[in-house]
Amino acid sequence: ETGVTQSPTHLIKTRGQQVTLRCSSQSGHNTVSWYQQALGQGPQFIFQYYREEENGRGNFPPRFSGLQFPNYSSELNVNALELDDSALYLCASSPTGQETQYFGPGTRLLVL
Amino acid sequence: GIQVEQSPPDLILQEGANSTLRCNFSDSVNNLQWFHQNPWGQLINLFYIPSGTKQNGRLSATTVATERYSLLYISSSQTTDSGVYFCAADNYGQNFVFGPGTRLSVLP
Repeated sequence: ETGVTQSPTHLIKTRGQQVTLRCSSQSGHNTVSWYQQALGQGPQFIFQYYREEENGRGNFPPRFSGLQFPNYSSELNVNALELDDSALYLCASSPTGQETQYFGPGTRLLVL
Repeated sequence: GIQVEQSPPDLILQEGANSTLRCNFSDSVNNLQWFHQNPWGQLINLFYIPSGTKQNGRLSATTVATERYSLLYISSSQTTDSGVYFCAADNYGQNFVFGPGTRLSVLP
């Protein structure tokens, strides 16, 4: 069974730019969630997708948006990047009918 | 929404010692998980434990749902146990909320 993968591993952008992060969930997992983890803090929930529909959203502005594809892979898009968007972005997937979340290795984003 | 607290914030142990990490949550939960975050940022599942007791090698966890707390026990700690331990809880479809973590350092 393959694990959750994310790309790229690291990314450097400048303020105002746009970024797309990608996540491939494990086979058989139809729910994908995205989290932002600032340095020294716990991860914070951004949003969740279930069967290609947004299924819950945390306290993040609309410039954070996402997609889930028919193969259950997912993208996180962030527009108009701000310095505070610098963080580790984590993707997690859950098996159909289960609650357990399995996390990918993350993408480290630095906004200059 | 649900609030998750963890204690202690930092813990320093000598190799071979035992430790107990605590997680308190403010409401009933349908999902509670313990994770270990390694120095590279990877969150590793330790336990899915909304209630009851589980053991996996040197690690065990107990959740007392009626009293809204969970405990993670690490026995005979090793230097590779170092890192940050997170507890996270989900209150029936609301956000999966992480606690602030316990940073564990195991010294040789």
